[in-house]
Amino acid sequence: SAVISQKPSRDICQRGTSLTIQCQVDSQVTMMFWYRQQPGQSLTLIATANQGSEATYESGFVIDKFPISRPNLTFSTLTVSNMSPEDSSIYLCSVERGVRNTDTQYFGPGTRLTVL
Amino acid sequence: AQKITQTQPGMFVQEKEAVTLDCTYDTSDPSYGLFWYKQPSSGEMIFLIYQGSYDQQNATEGRYSLNFQKARKSANLVISASQLGDSAMYFCAMREGSTGFQKLVFGTGTRLLVSP
Repeated sequence: SAVISQKPSRDICQRGTSLTIQCQVDSQVTMMFWYRQQPGQSLTLIATANQGSEATYESGFVIDKFPISRPNLTFSTLTVSNMSPEDSSIYLCSVERGVRNTDTQYFGPGTRLTVL
Repeated sequence: AQKITQTQPGMFVQEKEAVTLDCTYDTSDPSYGLFWYKQPSSGEMIFLIYQGSYDQQNATEGRYSLNFQKARKSANLVISASQLGDSAMYFCAMREGSTGFQKLVFGTGTRLLVSP
C-alpha cells in the first residue's frame, strides 16, 4: 500500500476565497490523482498530475478553478479557487502502486471542505 | 450509459452473517480491472480487493471475496462473518485497458449497516 497524508483534514471557508490542499506520499510516484466527492455522491476524477508537466483535467474541470502543482515526485497541491457552496465536497488525492500484477490506486484520508 | 452500476443504495446485515454487495459493469474492452473500496464515515477510501478480467479464479482477501461472473458482467463483493466495523459505504470501480494510465470509474456506492 501507500502512506498518503493530506492537509488540512477539514476546513470551513467563505465563498469567494481559495483553499490549497496538500498531498504528501511516503515514496516517489509518477502520477498523482485528485478526486472530488460531493455530498452523497460517488468519486469523480478532477485531474491527473505528473511531475514536471501540466496536469491533465477531466471534462468539466478547468485549471483556473482547480490549479494543481506537482513540484516533486512525493508532493502535490490542489487549489479550489473562488469557492462557492457547490464546492463543498471531500477532496481526495490518490497514487498508484503495483500490487499483484496490477496498479492499484491508494487514497489519502481526504479533505472535507465546507463553503458557506 | 453507466459503466458501473450498484443497485443497492443500502444493505443491512447482522453481525457474523455474510452479505453480498452487487456490482455490474459495462465495457467492450477485453482487458479491465475491477476494484472494491470501503469508505467509513471518516471519508477515507480503503482498498479492499481487485479482480482482473483475465484472472481465472475469484479474488479473495481475508473476509472479502469477489464473485466474478464475466459473462454476466458482474463483480459482487462478498463479506463473510460481518463485523460492526464493516458498517460503511462500499464502492465498486473499474479501470479499462491494460497499458498506460486509465482512470478509475466508480459506482454510486452501497451503504452497509451491520447490526449487533
